[in-house]
Amino acid sequence: ETGVTQTPRHLVMGMTNKKSLKCEQHLGHNAMYWYKQSAKKPLELMFVYNFKEQTENNSVPSRFSPECPNSSHLFLHLHTLQPEDSALYLCASGNTWDEKLFFGSGTQLSVL
Amino acid sequence: SQKIEQNSEALNIQEGKTATLTCNYTNYSPAYLQWYRQDPGRGPVFLLLIRENEKEKRKERLKVTFDTTLKQSLFHITASQPADSATYLCALLTGGGNKLTFGTGTQLKVEL
Repeated sequence: ETGVTQTPRHLVMGMTNKKSLKCEQHLGHNAMYWYKQSAKKPLELMFVYNFKEQTENNSVPSRFSPECPNSSHLFLHLHTLQPEDSALYLCASGNTWDEKLFFGSGTQLSVL
Repeated sequence: SQKIEQNSEALNIQEGKTATLTCNYTNYSPAYLQWYRQDPGRGPVFLLLIRENEKEKRKERLKVTFDTTLKQSLFHITASQPADSATYLCALLTGGGNKLTFGTGTQLKVEL
């Protein structure tokens, strides 16, 4: 285990549903990230939080809404998604003075 | 435009041989480059980091080289084993702060 836990591991939702992905890190890191991984595409950075403040929003559609209540927890709220949003959503954590990232196992999302 | 390119074709090698994976980038001037391993259904796991002023880095059976003139990094696994079979991702620090941009990855399969 890397110390970064994501739930759920798998999620199937309809286009009109609202769901949330959860990420928790037990490593004492101050930065947390959401990445999207689609088949045959590179990991795509979505959001970055440093010390609970959002420092990066990589032009992500508003149907994805992140929340970071503290440095250990990160959520991704999903609302009226499209089938093309089906992907593996990865959470990662790190320290701003260190360079490597620690990833969770991801949530495999299918939008029907 | 900025690109990070890795061998798109899967690499199949025989056990005991050295695997060499390539990462090429354009229109970046990264301070450092990282390599991650990703197994199916899991998040990437950090392996090695090499800085722009370093030519080579080693860790056990792994070796990474970094040529900022050629804009290329090579990742070697010596005495490869079937357990080394996975997808290997390179990542560059881009923009400000600690934002990592990833390549698409190369799938390595080590056969008996």
